[in-house]
Amino acid sequence: KQEVTQIPAALSVPEGENLVLNCSFTDSAIYNLQWFRQDPGKGLTSLLLIQSSQREQTSGRLNASLDKSSGRSTLYIAASQPGDSATYLCAVTNRDDKIIFGKGTRLHILP
Amino acid sequence: DGGITQSPKYLFRKEGQNVTLSCEQNLNHDAMYWYRQDPGQGLRLIYYSQIVNDFQKGDIAEGYSVSREKKESFPLTVTSAQKNPTAFYLCASSTPLDRWYGYTFGSGTRLTVV
Repeated sequence: KQEVTQIPAALSVPEGENLVLNCSFTDSAIYNLQWFRQDPGKGLTSLLLIQSSQREQTSGRLNASLDKSSGRSTLYIAASQPGDSATYLCAVTNRDDKIIFGKGTRLHILP
Repeated sequence: DGGITQSPKYLFRKEGQNVTLSCEQNLNHDAMYWYRQDPGQGLRLIYYSQIVNDFQKGDIAEGYSVSREKKESFPLTVTSAQKNPTAFYLCASSTPLDRWYGYTFGSGTRLTVV
């Protein structure tokens, strides 16, 4: 059974720092992986999506990598800003077409 | 702009009542999903539908029902059989995997039992 784990559960960093959020999954037979951002009381906003054949995707200050063989993905945020404060979730799509989410990392950027 | 609309944003249910949450998309996506989010538990799949007039149970379907009569709409009914319905409900949609562009989520409905 696929399990998705995100570490750490919460993170506080000063503004301007670069940071890395981690996502690991137990079954490497996935179709794709997607990173989302969720603000309190809001829906999920898609940040980056990576097909299983890809190694990384970039959007602005965000870079996501995927290493299927080791069951890991990282989300790198450069030059963090207070507006980056949110919960970040990763989700994998299994070969049975089911989407499994991690529980998220709550990020707080200190002004 | 294309997207997913969930309504209402907030919903209050009395004990023993059925309530229906609306989810409409204009993205021409084939697949639609309902998730429940509770603090500390992440998102759990309730039901999903990959095509009109067909849907499958997710991990926590008991006490819920859905219909998919139109491609654009996937309403979720929370029945009185759902013993702990207070939660944040999220609807999502996606294209088939052979032309996949990721998942798009609505803004959610917060359901509270009073």
